[in-house]
Order: sequence, then structure tokens, then C-alpha cells
Amino acid sequence: QVDLVESGGVVVQPGRSLSLSCAPSGFPFSNYGMSWVRQAPGKGLEWVAAIWYDGSNTDYADSVKGRFTISRDNAKNMLYLQINTLRVEDTALYYCARELFWRGPMDVWGQGTTVTVSS
Amino acid sequence: DIQVTQSPSSLSASVGDRVTITCRASQTIDIYLNWYQQKSGRAPNLLIYSASTLQSGVPSRFSGNGSDTDFTLTISSLQPEDFATYFCQQSYSGATFGPGTKVDLK
Repeated sequence: QVDLVESGGVVVQPGRSLSLSCAPSGFPFSNYGMSWVRQAPGKGLEWVAAIWYDGSNTDYADSVKGRFTISRDNAKNMLYLQINTLRVEDTALYYCARELFWRGPMDVWGQGTTVTVSS
Repeated sequence: DIQVTQSPSSLSASVGDRVTITCRASQTIDIYLNWYQQKSGRAPNLLIYSASTLQSGVPSRFSGNGSDTDFTLTISSLQPEDFATYFCQQSYSGATFGPGTKVDLK
């Protein structure tokens, strides 16, 4: 069964850093590009970052460029999102999602992990 | 950045109604437009990709159309399980989601 499980969400103070993880299963992870998408409470979806199947290329939303880093370890079957200098507006449910093909849709989603930034 | 708008932001409909949601991109995106359904407390679910391709397992009452900047999602006969929020997303350059359209019971 194809699945994605996110972890690492916490309550954290502004200015701190954290790392989110996503563990895929049921499909050949190294064949697929991946994305992170977040959803603030009661709000819509915001794409955050994407990474190619082999990690050789990454892309970021302008709103997070320079603070967020997406990475992957295909040998360990893991996807990551490093978030630095956290802001209150980073508070959201963070989803990882599989890209059906590059410049394509996100066809598999995890259930998300919650990041709350508060002093 | 490519901006994406949706209309209406919400609509009320009855079971059996035909429902159409519109999505507009700020520049041409060819057919790099996808549609998702999200129910409360759940992750989004892919319905349509590449403007008009039905995702496997999605009922045929859902259809998509359009190209360049203007796109539509149509539900031909609304079912009880279709009351949800619908998002469009461009994947031409990076990815941008529309603000969503909430479909509720009239």
C-alpha cells in the first residue's frame, strides 16, 4: 500500500529551527519527485518546496526561499524539510506529497505533521 | 510567480445539481493545471490532472476542461460525498494553489 508518513512537528519558539521528515512506503521512492505543502489553520494550501527524484534539483516558493531546505536520502528512503528562523506565520500543517511526474500533480499525500510557532 | 484565482469562493448546491468551478492563471500555463478535493480534517485528494485527465479511481461525474489561462472543474451530478473544498493548482512553474471553492449543501 502506497503511503507517506510525516513526523517532526512540534511547538517551537520564533527564531528557532526544526526538521521535518517524511517516510514513504509501498512505491520506489527514488523514482519520484517530492514536494512539501503546508496549510495554515483554516486556510488554503501553499506549496513550499519540491525536489527531483534524484535530489539534483530543488525549487522553492518565494515566501520560504533562503529559510527552507528540502532534501532527500534515497538510500534511507526519507524526505526532509529543514526550516530555519521560524516565524509565527510558519504555523501550519505540513504535508509531504509525491509528484506523479515532474511538473505534474501530487497524487499521494501524507496525513501531515503540525508545526506551531509561538512564544 | 504565477497567481491562480478561483471562482466562486463558495457555493451552495443540492444533490443531483451540476456544479462548475472556474480557475484562472495569471499567465499561460498550457495544460499544467490540476484539481484536488479536500474534506475537513483530511489530506487533499487528486481528482484531475493535466487539465482534463481523470485520476484513477475518481468517479466519472468529475471532469476538467481548459488550457492556457482558463480552466473549469465540473461535477455533473453532485453526490452527498462531494460536499468538500476544491482547489486548483498550476504546476507549470513551481506550484501554486488557488484559494479554494467550498461546496456545501443548499
